[in-house]
Amino acid sequence: GNSVTQMEGPVTLSEEAFLTINCTYTATGYPSLFWYVQYPGEGLQLLLKATKADDKGSNKGFEATYRKETTSFHLEKGSVQVSDSAVYFCALARASYDKVIFGPGTSLSVIP
Amino acid sequence: DTAVSQTPKYLVTQMGNDKSIKCEQNLGHDTMYWYKQDSKKFLKIMFSYNNKELIINETVPNRFSPKSPDKAHLNLHINSLELGDSAVYFCASSQGFGPSTEQYFGPGTRLTVT
Repeated sequence: GNSVTQMEGPVTLSEEAFLTINCTYTATGYPSLFWYVQYPGEGLQLLLKATKADDKGSNKGFEATYRKETTSFHLEKGSVQVSDSAVYFCALARASYDKVIFGPGTSLSVIP
Repeated sequence: DTAVSQTPKYLVTQMGNDKSIKCEQNLGHDTMYWYKQDSKKFLKIMFSYNNKELIINETVPNRFSPKSPDKAHLNLHINSLELGDSAVYFCASSQGFGPSTEQYFGPGTRLTVT
């Protein structure tokens, strides 16, 4: 079946450190891939997405590239800030009228 | 203005009670969802409505019943609450239901069953 796997958290980084959160997926066909972010006490919000192989999604300094050959969509940011502390969810959607499948989430804490 | 709103934000109740959570979106979207997030932050879809029609109905107890009076509202009614129902429930909406569709989430309702 379709699934999303993420690196386990929590991840703790110092401010200005480089961030990578690994995400791999299993799906038939060509799914769309997403990263959602959940700040403390809030609902999820879309951070970035990519809809086909080799697409790069980017937003707020975060980037992720859709790699079909490795079925991955790793999230990266060159210099994290305290305000980036949140839970990050990788997700996929395979086709119309199909549910979005979320990964288990990775908690990130950035310390000054 | 809040795009997707839920009421109440917190709900504490006893086992066996019946409760409802309301959701409203003012984005003009035609698709709405209910998700359950457990204590480990794992998020799972429960239901989805498109133009007031049920299109996703995951394997949830039939004690859970969604109701969509119009495209802007999707309420969740829960009968005979159990301890295991304690979680954060998120409502979300989107325009359409394609694979690249962005979902907009409400702030969540934290349900605690004692």
